[in-house]
Amino acid sequence: KQEVTQIPAALSVPEGENLVLNCSFTDSAIYNLQWFRQDPGKGLTSLLLIQSSQREQTSGRLNASLDKSSGRSTLYIAASQPGDSATYLCAVRPWEYGNKLVFGAGTILRVKS
Amino acid sequence: DVKVTQSSRYLVKRTGEKVFLECVQDMDHENMFWYRQDPGLGLRLIYFSYDVKMKEKGDIPEGYSVSREKKERFSLILESASTNQTSMYLCASSLYRGPGNQPQHFGDGTRLSIL
Repeated sequence: KQEVTQIPAALSVPEGENLVLNCSFTDSAIYNLQWFRQDPGKGLTSLLLIQSSQREQTSGRLNASLDKSSGRSTLYIAASQPGDSATYLCAVRPWEYGNKLVFGAGTILRVKS
Repeated sequence: DVKVTQSSRYLVKRTGEKVFLECVQDMDHENMFWYRQDPGLGLRLIYFSYDVKMKEKGDIPEGYSVSREKKERFSLILESASTNQTSMYLCASSLYRGPGNQPQHFGDGTRLSIL
């Protein structure tokens, strides 16, 4: 059964710092991996989707990498801002489950001004 | 931009009531999903649908049913609400049924309290 783990569970950094969020998964048989952002009391906003054949994706200050063989992904946030404060979730789409996503528990990020 | 709209942001109901949560998407997506999100348990899939009148059980379907009479609308039904169904409910949609690489897009969620 596919399991997704995110480390750390919470992170607090000063504004301007570059930071890395980690996501690991137990089964490399996936179609893709998706990173989401969730603000308190809100739904999920899709940030980046990396297909299984890709190594990384970039959007603005965000860069996500995927190493399928080792079951790892990282989300790199450059020059963090207070507006980046949110919970960040990663999810994989396993071959086994068709359209379903398996989510990690998330990393709560706080960027202090 | 994809728009997934959930009918209520907050809802308070009583134990034993039949509860309907509605979700509408405007991008002609084939796939639609209902999740619940609880502290410490993360997001768990309740049901999903890959076409009109088609549905499949997710990881925690007990106590729930769904309806998809039109492509754009996916309803979650709590047949007889219980306090352990107090949760944040999230609807999502995505394009295509087959093994593609389309992202899921989420609504803003409905925070449901059962008293």
